[in-house]
Parts: sequence; structure tokens; C-alpha cells
Amino acid sequence: GQNIDQPTEMTATEGAIVQINCTYQTSGFNGLFWYQQHAGEAPTFLSYNVLDGLEEKGRFSSFLSRSKGYSYLLLKELQMKDSASYLCVATDSNYQLIWGAGTKLIIKP
Amino acid sequence: NAGVTQTPKFRILKIGQSMTLQCTQDMNHNYMYWYRQDPGMGLKLIYYSVGAGITDKGEVPNGYNVSRSTTEDFPLRLELAAPSQTSVYFCASSYTGTYNEQFFGPGTRLTVL
Repeated sequence: GQNIDQPTEMTATEGAIVQINCTYQTSGFNGLFWYQQHAGEAPTFLSYNVLDGLEEKGRFSSFLSRSKGYSYLLLKELQMKDSASYLCVATDSNYQLIWGAGTKLIIKP
Repeated sequence: NAGVTQTPKFRILKIGQSMTLQCTQDMNHNYMYWYRQDPGMGLKLIYYSVGAGITDKGEVPNGYNVSRSTTEDFPLRLELAAPSQTSVYFCASSYTGTYNEQFFGPGTRLTVL
């Protein structure tokens, strides 16, 4: 079956760096998204990786290794507003989206 | 630009009742989606549409129906509500297919008692 694995919860300190890992098993692969979802709100787009490597966008970076079925989201200079769930979403060969359950990130002062 | 709007924001239904969740987008997107999100779970696709007049089932379509008569509107119909349909429902849209970012509405929190 198709599956996404990511940690349920992580805790980090304001100003620090945190890496949220995601592994995926899909029938074919056509890219990986990361979305941010604050409690009680809708998901919002963060990044989309199709090729191997690191994509940097301000304080957020996303990495993909297609051969390993692995991605991570790197958040630098953490702020309290980064407290949210981070959803890893893989696209299979039919461009169907497989959504992970999300990693709840708690930022402590 | 309002983006994606959904109504209502909250609703309580009794078992066996029916209702329609409204979704409208003003970005001229071709693709629209309905998801449900249960606590601690990933989003599950209910139905999607690739354009006006075209709809297709997602992962969990049972108990729901949709229509897409215009580019802007994509209502979701719940027939004979059941407690298992208690969830948060999100409507989303994208310009083209699922390799594009999706824009989400604020969600409808539905409780079936």
C-alpha cells in the first residue's frame, strides 16, 4: 500500500533549527509537498520538490531524495508562530496525493 | 480576491439528516477538491473535479455527492448523515492538476449526533 511516515510530534526552542523527516512509499512518484497547518485552520502550501536536492525559501528549506523515498523540512530561526502541524504529501504515478498525518511542532520560549 | 470560501463554518446534524456544504473559488481554477480531516489523521480525498461538468470519486466517496455546474462552485452533499461523517471538511482548488499547490478554504466543522 501507499504510505507516509512522519513523527507525530516534535518540540524545539525559539531561535533554534528543527528538521522534520518524512519517508514515503508510493506506486511511482511525481513529487512531494510540504504544507503548514495551524491549529483550527486550513493547510497552506510551503514547498514542492520533484528533483533530488535542497530547495531553500527564506527560513524554510525542503530536501528530497527520490532513491531513498525520503524528504525533510528544515526550519531555521524558529519563531513562536511556527508552532503548527507540518504535513508531508507525496504524489504517486497517477498524480494522486497521499497525505501524511502531520507532525505537530511545539515551539518553547 | 477572496480565494476559497466555504459555508457554513460549523454545523450540527442529527443522524439521518442531509445538508449541503458550499464551496466557491474566485481564482478561475480548473481543479477543485473536497477533503475530510479526522483528528490526528491525514486528509482524505472525497471527490474532485477537473472542470465544470466533470467530477470523480476520491478515496472516501461513500455517503457524499458532488456537482460542478460552474467553474467557481463545487458543493458537497451529505445524504443521511451518520456519526462516522463527523469531521472537518476542507474544500480546495488548484489551477491545474495535483502537481500544483492547492489553496484551501477555512473548513466546515461538522458534528453528527
